[in-house]
Amino acid sequence: QVQLVESGGGVVQPGRSLRLSCAASGFNFSNYAMHWVRQAPGKGLEWVALIYYDGSNKYYADSVKGRFTISRDNSKDTMYLQMDSLRAEDTAVYYCARDGTGSYDRVEYWGQGALVTVSS
Amino acid sequence: QLVLTQSPSASASLGASVKLTCTLSSGHSNYAIAWHQQQPEKGPRYLMRLNSDGSHRKGDGIPDRFSGSSSGAERYLTISSLQSEDEADYYCQTWGAGVVVFGGGTKLTVL
Repeated sequence: QVQLVESGGGVVQPGRSLRLSCAASGFNFSNYAMHWVRQAPGKGLEWVALIYYDGSNKYYADSVKGRFTISRDNSKDTMYLQMDSLRAEDTAVYYCARDGTGSYDRVEYWGQGALVTVSS
Repeated sequence: QLVLTQSPSASASLGASVKLTCTLSSGHSNYAIAWHQQQPEKGPRYLMRLNSDGSHRKGDGIPDRFSGSSSGAERYLTISSLQSEDEADYYCQTWGAGVVVFGGGTKLTVL
C-alpha cells in the first residue's frame, strides 16, 4: 500500500532554515508528481509546492516563492522541502502528498504530517 | 484567479443525507475538482475526483455512501446514511496553470 512518511519537523527560530523529507513506498515513486501541503493550527489546507515526476517542473504558492525549494531524488524514493528565511506564519503541519498523475491533478494520497514551529 | 468557495459549516442527522457544495470561480466552471475528508486530529484522506460532467472516480476503500455530482460551476459531495465517523472537515481541491488550490473547507457536524 502507498505510504508517505514525513520527517525533519521541529522548532526553529525566525529567519533560520529547516529541511523536510518525505520517504515514499508502495508505488513507483518516479512515475508520480508530488506535493507539499500545509495546515496552520486551527486553519484549512494550504498548497505549498509541487514537483513533476521527473523533477522537470516545480511550482510554488506565492506565500513561499523565493524562500522554499522543492526537490526529489527518484533513486531514493524521497522528496524534500528546503525552507529558508522561516517566518512565524510558516508554523504548520506539513503534509507530503502524492498526485494521481505525473504532472498535476488531484492529490491522491497523504502522509501523516510533520509539525514545523517557527518561534524565538 | 482560480478560487474555490465552500460554506464553513453544515449539519445533518445520523442516518440522513447531506450535500456539500464547492463553487468554482468565474471562468473556471469546466474544471475538475477533488474532495478530501479530514477527521478530527487526523491527516486528510482523498475521497474522489469529480469532473464537470458529474462523472467521478473514488479513492481506494471509499464507501458507496459517498458520491459526487456537478452543475455549472458547482461541485457537490453527497454523503448518504450518515454515520458518526463522517463528522469531519471536507475540502475541495482544484488545479491549473501551475497552481493548486484548496477551498476553505466545510465542517460537517452529525447530529
